[in-house]
Amino acid sequence: ELKVEQNPLFLSMQEGKNYTIYCNYSTTSDRLYWYRQDPGKSLESLFVLLSNGAVKQEGRLMASLDTKARLSTLHITAAVHDLSATYFCAVDAAETSGSRLTFGEGTQLTVNP
Amino acid sequence: NAGVMQNPRHLVRRRGQEARLRCSPMKGHSHVYWYRQLPEEGLKFMVYLQKENIIDESGMPKERFSAEFPKEGPSILRIQQVVRGDSAAYFCASSPRPDTQYFGPGTRLTVL
Repeated sequence: ELKVEQNPLFLSMQEGKNYTIYCNYSTTSDRLYWYRQDPGKSLESLFVLLSNGAVKQEGRLMASLDTKARLSTLHITAAVHDLSATYFCAVDAAETSGSRLTFGEGTQLTVNP
Repeated sequence: NAGVMQNPRHLVRRRGQEARLRCSPMKGHSHVYWYRQLPEEGLKFMVYLQKENIIDESGMPKERFSAEFPKEGPSILRIQQVVRGDSAAYFCASSPRPDTQYFGPGTRLTVL
């Protein structure tokens, strides 16, 4: 059974600081996704990572993928309050490609002024 | 192109009643996925459908839950004889092919 683990699960940081969220998964993957969810809202797609060494950046967020280590990171640079949300990574396992996403538990990020 | 639409957005049912959740995929999308999110948890896959076919229902509870995606009309997730443990947010996602999934706003089900 595919397992996806994120850490930390809770992250409280000050504005202007940098931090990294980690996502480990247990099996070969075709794709890895990062989503953002605000309280009571749906999921907003942030990044899709398709290959080993892939790096994507959007604003203060940068995501990378190491398929050999089965690890993805979401790096936050100079955090601002608007980034407060829950961030999920999700894996599309190779053996069930296109069939379902397996989500991590989520990292609840709070950025304090 | 409107996004994935779900209705109702909020649904309250008493124990033993039926809940019917609807999902209209984005135009041109023939792949529909249902996920459930319990409070403070990530999303858990339930079922994957294409038009008139259930492709993968491995995440669906064996009893009381069913899903369909008819040739015409929205996909429906039906929960019979609801219990308190069914209270959750149910998200539908769609895609034009088996890759990036676009999520709807969700239906928040409360069972009293």
